[in-house]
Amino acid sequence: SQKIEQNSEALNIQEGKTATLTCNYTNYSPAYLQWYRQDPGRGPVFLLLIRENEKEKRKERLKVTFDTTLKQSLFHITASQPADSATYLCARISGGYNKLIFGAGTRLAVHP
Amino acid sequence: DVKVTQSSRYLVKRTGEKVFLECVQDMDHENMFWYRQDPGLGLRLIYFSYDVKMKEKGDIPEGYSVSREKKERFSLILESASTNQTSMYLCASKSNEQFFGPGTRLTVL
Repeated sequence: SQKIEQNSEALNIQEGKTATLTCNYTNYSPAYLQWYRQDPGRGPVFLLLIRENEKEKRKERLKVTFDTTLKQSLFHITASQPADSATYLCARISGGYNKLIFGAGTRLAVHP
Repeated sequence: DVKVTQSSRYLVKRTGEKVFLECVQDMDHENMFWYRQDPGLGLRLIYFSYDVKMKEKGDIPEGYSVSREKKERFSLILESASTNQTSMYLCASKSNEQFFGPGTRLTVL
């Protein structure tokens, strides 16, 4: 079965540093991967989509990579700020009907 | 601005009660989804719908049913609520990305 695995341990970093979160998937490479941000008590919010044929995608301070050999996506936040503290979810498309499978998420805490 | 709304932010029900959670989207999306989210387990898909009156089971449909009579509205029904259904319930609709509602935190006593 298809799975998405994210590091369940929280990531603690200092303000200004680059945060790197990992997403690993099983089985065949999906057509695309997506990253979402979720704040406590709220629904996830879409951040970025990266397609299978794209190695890297950027949006402001965010950068996502897609390595089909390693079956892995990396999510980077450069010049991190305390406001970036949240849980970040990775998701892959699965089967028909546009279903997404989500990872459990990694909590990021950026300390001043 | 696109929007997915859910009928309640917080809900407290008793064991055995019938519970309705409603979700409305204003984006004319065909695909709508219901998830539950529990600590350490992430988002788990309960049911989804790809068109009016069409539904498909997700990964954990037991104890739930759904209704999609209109394109913009997707309802989740707990026929007889149980304590293990205490959770955060999230509705979403989708084009390429998923747009989530704010969630309903349901407590079953």
